[in-house]
Amino acid sequence: EDQVTQSPEALRLQEGESSSLNCSYTVSGLRGLFWYRQDPGKGPEFLFTLYSAGEEKEKERLKATLTKKESFLHITAPKPEDSATYLCAVLTGGSNYKLTFGKGTLLTVNP
Amino acid sequence: NAGVTQTPKFRVLKTGQSMTLLCAQDMNHEYMYWYRQDPGMGLRLIHYSVGEGTTAKGEVPDGYNVSRLKKQNFLLGLESAAPSQTSVYFCASQRGTEAFFGQGTRLTVV
Repeated sequence: EDQVTQSPEALRLQEGESSSLNCSYTVSGLRGLFWYRQDPGKGPEFLFTLYSAGEEKEKERLKATLTKKESFLHITAPKPEDSATYLCAVLTGGSNYKLTFGKGTLLTVNP
Repeated sequence: NAGVTQTPKFRVLKTGQSMTLLCAQDMNHEYMYWYRQDPGMGLRLIHYSVGEGTTAKGEVPDGYNVSRLKKQNFLLGLESAAPSQTSVYFCASQRGTEAFFGQGTRLTVV
């Protein structure tokens, strides 16, 4: 059974304090790993897709990296508007269609 | 271009009542999904569809039915609501590997 584990469950940072969120996975045949951002009361918003170990993607203050067992979402000099829940999901070789999500990391950035 | 639209946004049901949640997308996507999100459980797939007229079960399908009569619409039905179905429901449509989510429907069953 595919498993996706995110850590920490919650992270509180000061504005400008860089850190990383972790997503570890145990799957059979990874086809893609996805990061989403979810604001309270809203649906998840797509951030990145990573397909193979060693791949990196960047968007503003966010950088996602992928190894064979885990992915990191690095947040550089965060701002209060980066506060949200960050979700990780995997698409595995057993299906072309279905994503398996982790439980998310709630990030709070204090001014 | 509205993306993915869910109706209603909020609903309170009594145990045993039925209702239908509507998801509409205007991006001509083939794949559509229904998820539920519960505290501490993350997003779990209920049912999905890979094209008009086709549906399939996801991780937690019991107590739900779906229909995809038109490509742009994906309906989720609860025939006899139970308190365990209190949740936030999200619809998504997918292009390639990028999924677009609706704003969610908050359902409470009392």
